Amino acid sequence: DAKTTQPNSMESNEEEPVHLPCNHSTISGTDYIHWYRQLPSQGPEYVIHGLTSNVNNRMASLAIAEDRKSSTLILHRATLRDAAVYYCILSLEYGNKLVFGAGTILRVKS
Amino acid sequence: DAGVTQSPTHLIKTRGQQVTLRCSPKSGHDTVSWYQQALGQGPQFIFQYYEEEERQRGNFPDRFSGHQFPNYSSELNVNALLLGDSALYLCASSYYDRRNTEAFFGQGTRLTVV
Repeated sequence: DAKTTQPNSMESNEEEPVHLPCNHSTISGTDYIHWYRQLPSQGPEYVIHGLTSNVNNRMASLAIAEDRKSSTLILHRATLRDAAVYYCILSLEYGNKLVFGAGTILRVKS
Repeated sequence: DAGVTQSPTHLIKTRGQQVTLRCSPKSGHDTVSWYQQALGQGPQFIFQYYEEEERQRGNFPDRFSGHQFPNYSSELNVNALLLGDSALYLCASSYYDRRNTEAFFGQGTRLTVV
């Protein structure tokens, strides 16, 4: 399974943008990049995914480097409800087998 | 749509006992995956069921087994419980033949082995 590397923790101020980085230098050409987040006492929640192009949805944006060896999850205006553990995952297998790392703990200050 | 539902929410078992956890997938999903999440760690993939067969398996001993029913719901069985099996067990559902769609997770079953 291809590996991802994320910072252990990050801190942001409320209402400011947050950029969560992820390195995946061993990514293969068919790996999708997925982001999930896990709020306290809940199961993981899908955030966004992409293959090559940058992606936007109502929750966040995903910026993928041209060589695909890194990506950045962008929360445009952090709120207290965005405080969670964010996981960057590479998904190859059919059926969406997800290999989680330790993730990044995002703390949002008011 | 109720999403992914798991039961029970909490469970306390004694070392050596057996336990069965249940999962109902999101409506329309045909694949169920099970994950174990120890405190402070990311979820670890246990196995995945599609068409009532185990399709993929993570690095877990044979004490962990599962089943998928014709209605796509699934069970996770753990035999000969160890203290180290205490964890949050998560179920996720998805479509098997679509890699570019999201998996939906349940709230999990918190298992405590004493």
